[in-house]
Amino acid sequence: AQKVTQAQTEISVVEKEDVTLDCVYETRDTTYYLFWYKQPPSGELVFLIRRNSFDEQNEISGRYSWNFQKSTSSFNFTITASQVVDSAVYFCALKGGTYKYIFGTGTRLKVLA
Amino acid sequence: DGGITQSPKYLFRKEGQNVTLSCEQNLNHDAMYWYRQDPGQGLRLIYYSQIVNDFQKGDIAEGYSVSREKKESFPLTVTSAQKNPTAFYLCASAIYYSGANVLTFGAGSRLTVL
Repeated sequence: AQKVTQAQTEISVVEKEDVTLDCVYETRDTTYYLFWYKQPPSGELVFLIRRNSFDEQNEISGRYSWNFQKSTSSFNFTITASQVVDSAVYFCALKGGTYKYIFGTGTRLKVLA
Repeated sequence: DGGITQSPKYLFRKEGQNVTLSCEQNLNHDAMYWYRQDPGQGLRLIYYSQIVNDFQKGDIAEGYSVSREKKESFPLTVTSAQKNPTAFYLCASAIYYSGANVLTFGAGSRLTVL
C-alpha cells in the first residue's frame, strides 16, 4: 500500500525563522514521484516541486529547499527566513506506477509578523 | 491563459438533492481527477479519468458519479446517497507521459448541505 504521512498538523513560527515540514512516505514501487503543493487561503493548490525516485539530489529554489532521502523514505521541505506570505497549508504527495496520487493530511504553517 | 475552471465556487444544497459540480480544462490534459478535502483529512480521491469515456472509482466514490464525454470536461454529481457531502471539492488534471505528471488544480468548489 502507498501512504504519505505528514505528522505535523500545524506549525507556528515568527517571521524570518527557518521552518522544516516533514514528509514520510511508503511505497513498494521502485519508480515513484514525490510532490509538494502549497494551498493558500484561496484554496487552489499550487505546485512547488516534483522529485523522482532516482534523483536524490537536494534542490534549492530561492528560500525553499527540499531534502529527499530514500534511506529514511523522507522528502522534507525547508523554508528559510519565512515570510507572512508563506502562511498556507502544505501537502506532500506520492505517485507510483498507477494514475493515483496519494496526498498527506497537510501541514498548516502560520508565519507571524 | 490555460487552466482549470471549477463552478460554482460556492454551492448550497438541501438534503436529498443532487448537485453537479463543473470542471473544465483547456490544457489539453488527458487525465482528470476529483478530490474531496475535509479539515484534517487531506485530499481524498473520488474519481479519476485517464481518457474520454473512461473513468475509475477512487477511494471514496460512494454517493458520487462522473462522466467524461469530452476531453476538456469532467463533471461531478453529488447524489443524495452521499451521507456527508459538505466539503471542499477540487478538480485536477495532468498530461500523461512517462508517469512524471504534475497535477494542475482548479480553485475548488465549496458545497454546503443545509
